[in-house]
Amino acid sequence: ETGVTQSPTHLIKTRGQQVTLRCSSQSGHNTVSWYQQALGQGPQFIFQYYREEENGRGNFPPRFSGLQFPNYSSELNVNALELDDSALYLCASSFPVGDEQFFGPGTRLTVL
Amino acid sequence: KNQVEQSPQSLIILEGKNCTLQCNYTVSPFSNLRWYKQDTGRGPVSLTIMTFSENTKSNGRYTATLDADTKQSSLHITASQLSDSASYICVVTLSGNTGKLIFGQGTTLQVKP
Repeated sequence: ETGVTQSPTHLIKTRGQQVTLRCSSQSGHNTVSWYQQALGQGPQFIFQYYREEENGRGNFPPRFSGLQFPNYSSELNVNALELDDSALYLCASSFPVGDEQFFGPGTRLTVL
Repeated sequence: KNQVEQSPQSLIILEGKNCTLQCNYTVSPFSNLRWYKQDTGRGPVSLTIMTFSENTKSNGRYTATLDADTKQSSLHITASQLSDSASYICVVTLSGNTGKLIFGQGTTLQVKP
């Protein structure tokens, strides 16, 4: 276990809905990164938060947004869900930024 | 374009046998290369990490190699066990203030009794 937790474990939504995924970073880690992993593919970088501010973003549309709280936990919000958003969403924490990232178990999102 | 490519895509071996997974990358600027093991439906767990100047790194039955000149890495698994069945992902870290990770698509290994 890495000490990074995510909730919920599984989630089923319908197209057009909105979803919020949560991540608690490992104790002492101030950087959280979010990844989308489609079935059979490697994870794709969504964005990273460092000290409550966005610190890099991958090639994802603005309907993917995030937040980091003072305790360094983080949320990933996805608006106007599409079928292709179905994936395993991973968060990873690190300290300092740029050091090894420790992954949580992921949230499996299914969009119907 | 920063890319990491792995081969084979999938592999089936018998318990006790050895195997080698390959990774080629075109990533710049390079910071380090890691091999991760990912069990189905779980998050990746780091097995080894190598910087530019390191050629080999071992972690139990796992041995990773890195050739920075040819931009190739391999992960060798010795005396495979059923619990080695998983996806193995090669990941290159970009140097810089984000530590952005570039992932390969993974090799799915199945170890059969």
